[in-house]
Amino acid sequence: AQSVTQLDSQVPVFEEAPVELRCNYSSSVSVYLFWYVQYPNQGLQLLLKYLSGSTLVKGINGFEAEFNKSQTSFHLRKPSVHISDTAEYFCAVSSEDDKIIFGKGTRLHILP
Amino acid sequence: DTAVSQTPKYLVTQMGNDKSIKCEQNLGHDTMYWYKQDSKKFLKIMFSYNNKELIINETVPNRFSPKSPDKAHLNLHINSLELGDSAVYFCASSQGRSSYEQYFGPGTRLTVT
Repeated sequence: AQSVTQLDSQVPVFEEAPVELRCNYSSSVSVYLFWYVQYPNQGLQLLLKYLSGSTLVKGINGFEAEFNKSQTSFHLRKPSVHISDTAEYFCAVSSEDDKIIFGKGTRLHILP
Repeated sequence: DTAVSQTPKYLVTQMGNDKSIKCEQNLGHDTMYWYKQDSKKFLKIMFSYNNKELIINETVPNRFSPKSPDKAHLNLHINSLELGDSAVYFCASSQGRSSYEQYFGPGTRLTVT
């Protein structure tokens, strides 16, 4: 069975500081990995995804993530955050058998 | 143009009532989904349709019934509403199945009193 763990429910970080949001997964089959962002009172939108190939994936708004198969991780990073990055971030895993699982989300709180 | 739209945006109703939420996508996608997001922001897939065929049916009470009249629409009907059904329900669509990006609607906030 697949599972997704987002280790931090909340991450406070000062504006212009770097941030890493952690995601670990478990699966017995090959997976596809996604990060979605949810701004207040909105639906989710895709930040980036890993399907295959290069393990470093670049997304929108300056975010990137690195797939680490040995550590079963897909951590999201941004070198310098902005107040507009305040949102809930979800890691998600899907597989060929169409199972889709979202992590519990990490709230990114930008401090002025 | 809104890619994935849902109606209504807010729905307040009493226990025991029956209600429907409608979803439409104008992206030409083959696959549509319903998700439930609870008060702690936990997002759980409920159903998925591909070309009008049900492909994912998670452990959801049978009071919930999805209906896909065509590829662009996926409606959710809920019978005998309960307090625990209060949540935000999101519709989403994707071009294909598991490896494809999902496009989410704005959500429907259901409050059962």
